Amino acid sequence: KAGVTQTPRYLIKTRGQQVTLSCSPISGHRSVSWYQQTPGQGLQFLFEYFSETQRNKGNFPGRFSGRQFSNSRSEMNVSTLELGDSALYLCASSLAGSYNEQFFGPGTRLTVL
Amino acid sequence: KNEVEQSPQNLTAQEGEFITINCSYSVGISALHWLQQHPGGGIVSLFMLSSGKKKHGRLIATINIQEKHSSLHITASHPRDSAVYICAATRDSNYQLIWGAGTKLIIKP
Repeated sequence: KAGVTQTPRYLIKTRGQQVTLSCSPISGHRSVSWYQQTPGQGLQFLFEYFSETQRNKGNFPGRFSGRQFSNSRSEMNVSTLELGDSALYLCASSLAGSYNEQFFGPGTRLTVL
Repeated sequence: KNEVEQSPQNLTAQEGEFITINCSYSVGISALHWLQQHPGGGIVSLFMLSSGKKKHGRLIATINIQEKHSSLHITASHPRDSAVYICAATRDSNYQLIWGAGTKLIIKP
C-alpha cells in the first residue's frame, strides 16, 4: 500500500508570490489534515478536509487556503508569501479523522526569500 | 496553559536505560496519539489509544483516563531511538487533534 505522498518536496519562492502544495493520501483514506512546522515550534494545525469539505480550521490568516478533490487528494495554497511562511508543511491522512491513526507524508520544505 | 503538556522537553540518557515521557491533558478526549519525528521531518504514528496499555516491541504506551495522563516508555533504549516524541489528543468537542510541544530524546552509546 503506497504511503502519503507530498509534492513538491522542496520549494523556493520570493515574497509576494503564491504557492500550491499537493498531498495524495493513502488509498481509501478520506481525511487529510495540513500542518505547518517551523524550527523550534510544534506542529501548527492549518485545516482538515473530509469528503471535499473543510471540517476544521486552525488560526491562520486567509492567505492560507485549501481544497480536497473527489479522489481525496488535497492541495493547499498560500498567497502573498511572507518570510515567516518558510516552514515544513506536512499533511496527514486517515480513514475518517483524528480518532483514527494518522499517517504523515514526508513534507514540503518551503523557503521564502 | 496548553491543553496538552509534555514532559520533559529534553531528555538525554545512556544506551540501555529505561525511558519515560509523560503527557497530560486538560480537556475531554476520545483518543491519545504518540508519534515519533526523526531529524529530516518524517513523522510516524507509534500508538493510538483510548484506554489501558499498548505494547509494540520495546515501546509501551499507557493512559489513565481518570488522571488525564499518558506515558510512553522505551525499554533497553538504543541510539536509534533518538528522535522527537510527540503526544497529541483528539479533542472530544470538535475532533480536532491538539498537540504537545514534543520531547527531544537523545540516547548516547
